[in-house]
Amino acid sequence: AQSVTQLDSHVSVSEGTPVLLRCNYSSSYSPSLFWYVQHPNKGLQLLLKYTSAATLVKGINGFEAEFKKSETSFHLTKPSAHMSDAAEYFCVVSGFRGGYNKLIFGAGTRLAVHP
Amino acid sequence: GAVVSQHPSRVICKSGTSVKIECRSLDFQATTMFWYRQFPKKSLMLMATSNEGSKATYEQGVEKDKFLINHASLTLSTLTVTSAHPEDSSFYICSAPVGSTDTQYFGPGTRLTVL
Repeated sequence: AQSVTQLDSHVSVSEGTPVLLRCNYSSSYSPSLFWYVQHPNKGLQLLLKYTSAATLVKGINGFEAEFKKSETSFHLTKPSAHMSDAAEYFCVVSGFRGGYNKLIFGAGTRLAVHP
Repeated sequence: GAVVSQHPSRVICKSGTSVKIECRSLDFQATTMFWYRQFPKKSLMLMATSNEGSKATYEQGVEKDKFLINHASLTLSTLTVTSAHPEDSSFYICSAPVGSTDTQYFGPGTRLTVL
C-alpha cells in the first residue's frame, strides 16, 4: 500500500530565504510522486512530478524536489521564497488500485512567507 | 497543460435540496474522472471514481445514494449532492488524468454551502 507523510503542517519563511517542505512516502513498488500547490479557494496546480527518471526534478516557479529512495523522501525546495509562494502544498503518491491510478494525498503543508 | 473546469464555482442552497456540480475536460477526453472533498484546512479526500459509460466506484464510507455521479460523455462528469444538509458543506474538486498517464489535472473546485 502507498502512503505519504508531510512532516510539517506549517512552515514560515522570510521573503528571499530558502524553502524546504518535507515529505516521506511509503510504497511497495517504485512510485510516481507529485507536489501540488493550492492557493486559497483555488484548485490544485501541479508543481512537479517524479517518475523514476532523474532523481532531481525541476518544476515550475523555481521549485524542485529530490527523490531519495534510501530515505524514502521527496522534499520540495526553492532557493528564494516569494510572497506569491504562500499557499498550501500537497505531496502526493500515485497508487495503483483496481485498474487505474489513484492519488494519495499528504495532509498538506501551509507555507507562509513574511516580508 | 490540460484544462479541467467546474461549474458552478460557488453554490448556496437550502437544506433538503439537491445540487449538481459539473466537471468538464476542456481539451482532452477523460474516460475516468475523480471527485474529491476537502474540508477547511484539510487535505483532499477521494470520494469516488467516475467511469464513462459505467457506474462510479465509491470509496469506503461515501454514501453512493447521497452523492450521485454520472459520467455521460468523455468530457463531462456530474456530482449531485442529494437532500443536502449543512454537514455536506465543503469544497468539492474533480480531477482527470490525461491519457494513460498518472498525472491528473484538477478543476478549480466548487464551494458548496448548505444553509
